[in-house]
Amino acid sequence: GQQVMQIPQYQHVQEGEDFTTYCNSSTTLSNIQWYKQRPGGHPVFLIQLVKSGEVKKQKRLTFQFGEAKKNSSLHITATQTTDVGTYFCAGRDFGNEKLTFGTGTRLTIIP
Amino acid sequence: NAGVTQTPKFQVLKTGQSMTLQCAQDMNHNSMYWYRQDPGMGLRLIYYSASEGTTDKGEVPNGYNVSRLNKREFSLRLESAAPSQTSVYFCASSEYRKGEQYFGPGTRLTVT
Repeated sequence: GQQVMQIPQYQHVQEGEDFTTYCNSSTTLSNIQWYKQRPGGHPVFLIQLVKSGEVKKQKRLTFQFGEAKKNSSLHITATQTTDVGTYFCAGRDFGNEKLTFGTGTRLTIIP
Repeated sequence: NAGVTQTPKFQVLKTGQSMTLQCAQDMNHNSMYWYRQDPGMGLRLIYYSASEGTTDKGEVPNGYNVSRLNKREFSLRLESAAPSQTSVYFCASSEYRKGEQYFGPGTRLTVT
């Protein structure tokens, strides 16, 4: 079945440094979604990417969808303490349209 | 709007006991989902309901049953709880099958 892997599993950064998490699927995706989960909270939708090579920005967050639609990345510029949490990608398979979540990247910020 | 609500927030069960987790949404969404979240495993889909009147198995359905009671409510039942079912359970909904998902606050379940 479809597998969605995320790296790294954990990332500790100094406040103000940049952060990137990568998402890789074993199959071609129809689209990919990104979610953020604060410690003790629930996942909150951030964005959806649909087109091959698509790039979308939300303030300091930049999301990319690979040309082959099998990978994606989330880059945060100049991290702030409010960025703390676990970031999940979720890929939707072309075949069965099921959404599979990645294992997540847990971001902690050192003030 | 409350969004997606779940009850209870916490629950401790003994092995073999049964219970039902309740979920309701007030966004008039068509699709609803049950996930479990375990450390290092991300979110795994247990069951989903693409629309009122339909339910389908997800990635890890064994040991669970669901009921889509009406458009608003989607319940998850554990018939005979096992320690392997200790987890955090999230309910989610989306306007349509392929849309963004809105999650409830979760139920933290411990089975001893």
